[in-house]
Amino acid sequence: AQSVTQLGSHVSVSEGALVLLRCNYSSSVPPYLFWYVQYPNQGLQLLLKYTSAATLVKGINGFEAEFKKSETSFHLTKPSAHMSDAAEYFCAVTYGGSQGNLIFGKGTKLSVKP
Amino acid sequence: KAGVTQTPRYLIKTRGQQVTLSCSPISGHRSVSWYQQTPGQGLQFLFEYFSETQRNKGNFPGRFSGRQFSNSRSEMNVSTLELGDSALYLCASSLGTATNYGYTFGSGTRLTVV
Repeated sequence: AQSVTQLGSHVSVSEGALVLLRCNYSSSVPPYLFWYVQYPNQGLQLLLKYTSAATLVKGINGFEAEFKKSETSFHLTKPSAHMSDAAEYFCAVTYGGSQGNLIFGKGTKLSVKP
Repeated sequence: KAGVTQTPRYLIKTRGQQVTLSCSPISGHRSVSWYQQTPGQGLQFLFEYFSETQRNKGNFPGRFSGRQFSNSRSEMNVSTLELGDSALYLCASSLGTATNYGYTFGSGTRLTVV
């Protein structure tokens, strides 16, 4: 079965530090990949998506992710963390077509220390 | 432009009862998907509707059902509620497929079964 693994259920960084959230997928076919963010008591907001165009994808709020097929990875980064980035982040994959539902990772909760 | 609207936001039900949750997609979106979010299982796909037809279904018991109306609004129903059904239920809408358009999520309905 297709799956998504997010390494680290909790990540803590200092304000201004690099944010790196890891995501690996298992797939035998090209996937479509997404990063979503969830703030407390809210739904999911799309940060960025990879749909087989450029391998480096830029999203909202200064986040970007790089698709690496050889490593089956789609890690999320941000050069400088801000207090407002504290939230839970979900990596998701879909394979398109009529089976286009999203398969989510377990999520990574990001804490930002002042 | 209004987002995805889910009602009610919070719901408390008793074991054995049934419940209906509502989702109004973004205007013009024809695809509506439902997801269940729990601390233990994370985000799991329930089903997807497109133009009033169920296009895809996750691995949930038959107590979980849904439908979509001609105006694309969707409802999901859970019968004979169990304690384990306590969760945040998220609705997502899309113009077509996730690969082309991605999903926009609502804020969810938090169901508590007592």
